[in-house]
Amino acid sequence: QSALTQPPSASGSPGQSVTISCTGTSSDVGDYNFVSWYQHHPGKAPKLIIYEVNERPSGVPDRFSGSKSGNTASLTVSGLQAEDEADYYCSSYAGSNTYVFGTGTKVTVL
Amino acid sequence: QVQLVESGGGVVQPGRSLRLSCAASGFSFSSYDIHWVRQAPGKGLEWVADIWYDGNNKYYADSVKGRFTVSRDNSKNTLYLQMNSPRAEDTGVYYCAREISGRRYLDAWGQGTLVTVSS
Repeated sequence: QSALTQPPSASGSPGQSVTISCTGTSSDVGDYNFVSWYQHHPGKAPKLIIYEVNERPSGVPDRFSGSKSGNTASLTVSGLQAEDEADYYCSSYAGSNTYVFGTGTKVTVL
Repeated sequence: QVQLVESGGGVVQPGRSLRLSCAASGFSFSSYDIHWVRQAPGKGLEWVADIWYDGNNKYYADSVKGRFTVSRDNSKNTLYLQMNSPRAEDTGVYYCAREISGRRYLDAWGQGTLVTVSS
């Protein structure tokens, strides 16, 4: 149950795009389309922004999109806004009713 | 609206016990699987445990297996995490979060309760 690997940080100016990678293994990300992404403003409850690789919950702007290729999933935030500054975590189902989270990426809006 | 409120955190000595609670409201609690997820200081999220909607199946991360026990009381809309023999590395904020059974994602979270394991 090793954590999925994410870059520690990413940044962009308002209006730009940022893409965060999430690398796992053939036993988690590569084996299931159950990759989800969470936005976490410190001190608040994490928020689901992407599920099943590329599905957006109701109310999440379409500026957020997800994809997957092999053992790596990605989250793209387009048209960056100040409120997008937060920590972002990927998660994957890892079989046998276990789950693994990513190491987290701090997104800074310059 | 959907609410999950954790409580019971605090300072606990290594080897003692602590029980966390998660009170749910605004949805049909007995229809959802519920998870515990934690975050150590300065670290990322870590999945801890999961209990099915009916309480009949429970699953744990290797790091807590044999020490922590998850349970629920659907009549009280409450989830519990019994933490036995806690270690310093169990320190962190503990969140409860719900899953539509079998969907493999967490669509609502609480704000967390802080547990500090220290002598």
